[in-house]
Amino acid sequence: DTGVSQDPRHKITKRGQNVTFRCDPISEHNRLYWYRQTLGQGPEFLTYFQNEAQLEKSRLLSDRFSAERPKGSFSTLEIQRTEQGDSAMYLCASSLAGRYGYTFGSGTRLTVV
Amino acid sequence: GQQLNQSPQSMFIQEGEDVSMNCTSSSIFNTWLWYKQEPGEGPVLLIALYKAGELTSNGRLTAQFGITRKDSFLNISASIPSDVGIYFCAGGSSNTGKLIFGQGTTLQVKP
Repeated sequence: DTGVSQDPRHKITKRGQNVTFRCDPISEHNRLYWYRQTLGQGPEFLTYFQNEAQLEKSRLLSDRFSAERPKGSFSTLEIQRTEQGDSAMYLCASSLAGRYGYTFGSGTRLTVV
Repeated sequence: GQQLNQSPQSMFIQEGEDVSMNCTSSSIFNTWLWYKQEPGEGPVLLIALYKAGELTSNGRLTAQFGITRKDSFLNISASIPSDVGIYFCAGGSSNTGKLIFGQGTTLQVKP
């Protein structure tokens, strides 16, 4: 068990570019969550998967955001046409179904310039 | 939407002092959790509470799930410098495992 791994740890991108982040959950965990955290705030729910199915998406997740979890293992979060307001820490977490105390990764800090 | 009000926003205390922070909501939650986050890292789970009225300890940390299911508190006894960080409460109310987080309490400990 190596914990939840996120890549990259930091990403600086120009406004209008597309970015993709990867999350590798704890191997036996069937649920995977994406959260976004801005400075001075708690994490905000974006979306979650159970196995490969995306079961819920927040209204925060605009059309420019898309997440996938092919084969129910790792997940990717893509942001198209980035805007300065997308600058945040993007956190991934995983758990077993029915458990709230999930494990977070270290996050990907996105800066849009 | 659901919101959690966490207080205080920040605390600056002397090493050895006890600390108390709380979280309130206008909505009922089935689960309350407390996380700690250090700079540049993701939140780490400290305590999970699953029943109204439940009191749970983890070392020097004690947390309680309020009877009304709308609040929770976290106590840290005999604080030490490594307790420094941001403490978040989080509530869960659905089968999805989705959590609503408070705004955090920043704790600083003076040696």
